Amino acid sequence: AQSVAQPEDQVNVAEGNPLTVKCTYSVSGNPYLFWYVQYPNRGLQFLLKYITGDNLVKGSYGFEAEFNKSQTSFHLKKPSALVSDSALYFCAVRDMNTGFQKLVFGTGTRLLVSP
Amino acid sequence: KAGVTQTPRYLIKTRGQQVTLSCSPISGHRSVSWYQQTPGQGLQFLFEYFSETQRNKGNFPGRFSGRQFSNSRSEMNVSTLELGDSALYLCASSLTTYSGANVLTFGAGSRLTVL
Repeated sequence: AQSVAQPEDQVNVAEGNPLTVKCTYSVSGNPYLFWYVQYPNRGLQFLLKYITGDNLVKGSYGFEAEFNKSQTSFHLKKPSALVSDSALYFCAVRDMNTGFQKLVFGTGTRLLVSP
Repeated sequence: KAGVTQTPRYLIKTRGQQVTLSCSPISGHRSVSWYQQTPGQGLQFLFEYFSETQRNKGNFPGRFSGRQFSNSRSEMNVSTLELGDSALYLCASSLTTYSGANVLTFGAGSRLTVL
């Protein structure tokens, strides 16, 4: 079964410092990977996706993610964190076995950026 | 263009009642998926509809059902509500069911509280 794991419940970083939110995946076949962000009382907002091609994917709001096939990882990164980046971040993988539109989500990582 | 619209945003029901939630997808999007988000279970796939047909269903009891209309709008219904059904119900739309590269665009959600 397709799955993703987010090993950190929470990540704390100071404003202006680089941030990394970790995600590892387990899939059969080629992975279709996504990052979403959720602000309080809001739905999920799409940040970026990896389908194929360059291992470094650039997304919204200055975020990027690095796909690493040998380590089965898809870590989310940003060179300089903002207080407004504080939110809940979800990594997800497309479940290509049971339906193209089904996403399997990780448990989420809460990012706290301190001033 | 308008995003995914979910109504109602908040509702309170009592055990044993039933509830209907509505989702209007982005114009032109024909696939609608539903997810349940709870603190304990995280984000879980409920079902997906495309061309008024259920394409995929998650591991939920038969009390959870849905449908899609010819204009792609979708409703989900939960009958005989239980306390554990309290959750944020998220609707997501995408252009088609046939591509794993599609981005799912989520609505703000309907927060259901069962007393």
